[in-house]
Amino acid sequence: LAKTTQPISMDSYEGQEVNITCSHNNIATNDYITWYQQFPSQGPRFIIQGYKTKVTNEVASLFIPADRKSSTLSLPRVSLSDTAVYYCLVGDWGATNKLIFGTGTLLAVQP
Amino acid sequence: GAGVSQSPRYKVAKRGQDVALRCDPISGHVSLFWYQQALGQGPEFLTYFQNEAQLDKSGLPSDRFFAERPEGSVSTLKIQRTQQEDSAVYLCASIKAGQGEQYFGPGTRLTVT
Repeated sequence: LAKTTQPISMDSYEGQEVNITCSHNNIATNDYITWYQQFPSQGPRFIIQGYKTKVTNEVASLFIPADRKSSTLSLPRVSLSDTAVYYCLVGDWGATNKLIFGTGTLLAVQP
Repeated sequence: GAGVSQSPRYKVAKRGQDVALRCDPISGHVSLFWYQQALGQGPEFLTYFQNEAQLDKSGLPSDRFFAERPEGSVSTLKIQRTQQEDSAVYLCASIKAGQGEQYFGPGTRLTVT
């Protein structure tokens, strides 16, 4: 399973777009990139998953360059309720379901 | 519909006591996972069930940790002779089929004094 590196923390203000980048230099051919969000006293919640290029859903976009050695989670127009820890995970979900979390990025959104 | 539920939400145990933590996965979900999350850290994998079969227990930190899922639905994580280093949040997650998005419960916060 590929190791991931992401910033420990980020600050933003309400209404701004936030981009959190994750590096995964050793990503394997069969690996997918998945992002989870965790609020205090709650379990992690799936946000988005992708393999290459760009994926968008109702809450976020995921940008993956051609070499797949990094990925960027983009949160449009954040609000105070987006304050949470964001985890980037990489793995071959067909081979193993074991999720390997790093320490994540604590996003603090200020008014 | 109902999500993954865990009980109790909080548990305080004296060192040396045994504890049992319960997980009710989403109805019909085949796969169930347990994770341990220490303060300020990401969750760490403990064990994985597919139906009643425990397919991976490589993350269990010691033989004091034991998990079961006898009827392929509810699961119990048991910790014998608890130690202070067992203090953590224990998370349960389930998946409908063999792979896909994991749905997490709120966790049980265990404090060993």
